[in-house]
Formats: sequence, structure tokens, C-alpha cells
Amino acid sequence: DAGVIQSPRHEVTEMGQEVTLRCKPISGHDYLFWYRQTMMRGLELLIYFNNNVPIDDSGMPEDRFSAKMPNASFSTLKIQPSEPRDSAVYFCASSFRDPPRNTQYFGPGTRLTVL
Amino acid sequence: GEDVEQSLFLSVREGDSSVINCTYTDSSSTYLYWYKQEPGAGLQLLTYIFSNMDMKQDQRLTVLLNKKDKHLSLRIADTQTGDSAIYFCAESPSGTGGFKTIFGAGTRLFVKA
Repeated sequence: DAGVIQSPRHEVTEMGQEVTLRCKPISGHDYLFWYRQTMMRGLELLIYFNNNVPIDDSGMPEDRFSAKMPNASFSTLKIQPSEPRDSAVYFCASSFRDPPRNTQYFGPGTRLTVL
Repeated sequence: GEDVEQSLFLSVREGDSSVINCTYTDSSSTYLYWYKQEPGAGLQLLTYIFSNMDMKQDQRLTVLLNKKDKHLSLRIADTQTGDSAIYFCAESPSGTGGFKTIFGAGTRLFVKA
């Protein structure tokens, strides 16, 4: 398997622009997680899905952030409008129902820079 | 609440042992994990320990768990420069169905040649 695929790997945009990050989970995995990593705040869970349904979005910082999972093989995280403080590395991770181990498999991340 | 704490930096000489420590708050976690993040990459599961175990050894890695003190440690024997990375301690509290993993801030390990 190719692992979790994220695109783009790097994104540079200007404040106020819309940004869309994409993720393809590992085939057969039914959980998908979006994280944000910064030096100041470490690794933060933004939202996670089970069978394409959002389960917990309490980590989504503001209404400017939205996430969708239209099918089992694709998810997006959208920021509109983007702000400089959104600059971070965004990770997507997936796992399958293997309780209680539930190992998460991370993608390589998207490094977002908002100018 | 759910919280995982670990020191932010550790520096060792090549060939020495590294010990990374972590404390967690939720005693309901069935598994506790160590993830490794190399530069420019995502996190990767390094090892895990079942909560009813005190120790787990896997080649150069030794995980020690003290449930009473809610303390987890990772020992890397004969540390190599390739071990330089960020190491995350993590737990999955059963109250979340075990699917929401709580990560610590990560310990950045520097290995000096």
C-alpha cells in the first residue's frame, strides 16, 4: 500500500485566500484524522471521521476551518479565509478498527505558509 | 482531563543510552504508544505497550510502564545519529472508544557524534 497520501506537500498563499488540503487514507481504514502541528502548540487534533461521518470536530479552531469526507478514499480540509496564524504543518492520519490498539498511520503532511 | 506531558529536549552522545520520560493522566487507556517523527515526515508508530504489562523490549527499545505513577519511559540502547528525531508519547483513553489518541508535545532527541 502507498500509505496515507496528502497533497499538496507545500502550499504558500496570501492572507484571505482559500486553501484546500487533500488526503487519501489507506484503503480499508475507516477512521480518518486531521492534525495541525506548530512549534508553539505542538500536535493538535482538529477533527476525525468514522466511516466518512465527522465524529468530533471540537478541535477545529474557527468557522474558517471546514472538513469533509465525501467517500472512504478522500477527505479535504478547507480554510477560508486563511490567516498568517494558520501557518503550520497539517497531517492526515488513518486507522482501522482494531481495538484497542488502533494504530494511526500518518501522511507526510502539508506545510502551509500564509503570508 | 486528558493530558500527556513529556520533556521537550534530550541530548546524548552516540553509543550512549537515551531515556525519554512521559506522564499521562487517563488510567483507562488500554494501550500506550511511542511515535517517532523524523524531519519532514509524519509520525510513525515506534512501539506500544499493553496497559497490563510493566515492560516491553523490542531490539534496542525498552518501554517501561508504571501504572501507579502513570509514568511511561522509552529507553533506546546504543543510540545512533539516525535516532535523532522527535518522540511522541501517546495514549488512547477508553472514554473516547479508544479511537482518539492524545499526544504529548514531543521530545526532540539530539544525538551527538
